[in-house]
This record gives sequence, structure tokens and C-alpha cells, in this order.
Amino acid sequence: ETGVTQSPTHLIKTRGQQVTLRCSSQSGHNTVSWYQQALGQGPQFIFQYYREEENGRGNFPPRFSGLQFPNYSSELNVNALELDDSALYLCASSGGGSGGPPYNEQFFGPGTRLTVL
Amino acid sequence: DQQVKQNSPSLSVQEGRISILNCDYTNSMFDYFLWYKKYPAEGPTFLISISSIKDKNEDGRFTVFLNKSAKHLSLHIVPSQPGDSAVYFCAASEWNNNDMRFGAGTRLTVKP
Repeated sequence: ETGVTQSPTHLIKTRGQQVTLRCSSQSGHNTVSWYQQALGQGPQFIFQYYREEENGRGNFPPRFSGLQFPNYSSELNVNALELDDSALYLCASSGGGSGGPPYNEQFFGPGTRLTVL
Repeated sequence: DQQVKQNSPSLSVQEGRISILNCDYTNSMFDYFLWYKKYPAEGPTFLISISSIKDKNEDGRFTVFLNKSAKHLSLHIVPSQPGDSAVYFCAASEWNNNDMRFGAGTRLTVKP
């Protein structure tokens, strides 16, 4: 059974650029959630995708967008990068039916470290 | 706004002793609570959860206690082992809401 994988591991961008982060969900999981973890803080919920549709969104601006593909892998896109976007971006997959609890089925990937200069 | 708070950034305990990690929340609508453990260069791993209809949930060496009136939960690890050394995150959500709120984490060090 393959776990959650994310690519790339590290990324350096400059302010104003656009970035795409990728996540492959665990086999059999149809729900993917994205989180931003700034240094010294806990993960912050960005949004969740269930069966290719956005299924809940946290307090992030529209320049944070996502996609989920038929194989349930997912992308996080961030436009017009700002210095404060520098963080660890975590993807988590789960098999929860409608995308909701039980969260104990949520499996996290190792994250992508994004640095914005 | 920080709706979930872990006020102790770090905790150090001796192997074999009890580790107690604390978490406070402000949103009375939260009714599902979780603890995650995170090792360096890995994503968080689910540890244990509790719903608001309970005040205690136990899984092996790990027990979570929930005090709804105080909006406080704690994670007890007994006995603590060096392999438990990690960052522990407390998280909370409403049952039908995907927006899970995390605390800032507590770094636990268990000394041999």
C-alpha cells in the first residue's frame, strides 16, 4: 500500500510568481485536504477536495486554488506569491465518504517546503 | 484567531514517567478532538481522538481527557518512551465541518 506522497520536496520562488504543488493520495482514498504550516505554528486548513469537487475551504484568499483528478491525486496552485506564503504545505488523504469525519483516517504526506524570496 | 492553543512549546520527561500535554480551545462548537504526532521530515500521524460525548478515551499507553466546561483537553502518555520524542499537535473541529483547527504544537523530549 503506497502512502501519501508530495512533490517537490523543496521549492524556492520569488514574490509574484506562481507555484503548483502536487499530492498523490493513499491508495483507495478519495478525499484530499491541503494545509499550510508556517514556522512555529500548527497546520492551517486551506481546502479539501472530494471526488474532484471542492468540499470546504479555510480562510485563504482565492489566489490559493486546487484541483483533484479522477485518480484522486491533487494539485495546490498559488498565484501572485507573497513572502508570507513561505511555509510547509501538507497534503492529507482520507477515505471518508463525504469528505468529513472520521478524521482518524486522514494520512499526511511529508510536505513541500516553499520559500518565497 | 487562534481557537486551539497549546501553551507549552516544549516538555521534557524521564523515560518511564508520565507525559502530560495540554490543549485549550475557545470555540464551544468544537465537538471532535484529535492528537497528532510529528517526527522531523514526516507528516503528522494520527494518534488518538475523542468526541464531545465522552470525557476519556484510552488506547494503550495513550489517554486523552476532555473537560468540556473548561474547554480543555490533555494527552497522557504512560509510561513515556524515548521513541515518543516528537512534536504533538492538538486539533479540533465541528463534526460536520472539514475545517480542522490545530494548535501550535508541543515538542516532547523523553530522556533515557
